[in-house]
Amino acid sequence: GQQVMQIPQYQHVQEGEDFTTYCNSSTTLSNIQWYKQRPGGHPVFLIQLVKSGEVKKQKRLTFQFGEAKKNSSLHITATQTTDVGTYFCAGRNYGQNFVFGPGTRLSVLP
Amino acid sequence: GAGVSQSPRYKVAKRGQDVALRCDPISGHVSLFWYQQALGQGPEFLTYFQNEAQLDKSGLPSDRFFAERPEGSVSTLKIQRTQQEDSAVYLCASSPSPGGWGAFFGQGTRLTVV
Repeated sequence: GQQVMQIPQYQHVQEGEDFTTYCNSSTTLSNIQWYKQRPGGHPVFLIQLVKSGEVKKQKRLTFQFGEAKKNSSLHITATQTTDVGTYFCAGRNYGQNFVFGPGTRLSVLP
Repeated sequence: GAGVSQSPRYKVAKRGQDVALRCDPISGHVSLFWYQQALGQGPEFLTYFQNEAQLDKSGLPSDRFFAERPEGSVSTLKIQRTQQEDSAVYLCASSPSPGGWGAFFGQGTRLTVV
């Protein structure tokens, strides 16, 4: 079945440093979503990418969908303590349901 | 309400007990999903409803798990004869689109089976 992997599993950064998490799927995806989950909270939808090579920005967050639609990345510029949480990608394989990756847990040291 | 509401927030069940978890999606949302999230893991898909139709139940781990959404709004996830491995957070999500774009998650129900 479809598998979605994320690296790294954990990332500790100093406030102000950049952060990137990578998502890789074993199959070609029709679209991919990114979620953020704060400690003790529930996943909150960030964005959906659909097109090959698509790049979307939300303030300090940049999302990219690979040309082959099998990988994606989330980059945060100049991290802040409010960015702390676990970032999940969720990939969908044409008509099937979203498969979540295991997440990247981000810690930001002030 | 403004968001997806789940109840109870916490449930402790004795092994072998039946439990029912409720999800109130955002009004008018067509799609409703149930996920199971173990500690430190990503949500794992259980089942999907489009209105009242259960279109996909491939993620339900056993026949002890049953979900329904009889009127296309509120949904209930029932687990019969609970076992310790059922302990997890059960998340409900709803979306205005049939494809589940931009799903809104509830706070979840933390189930502990003792």
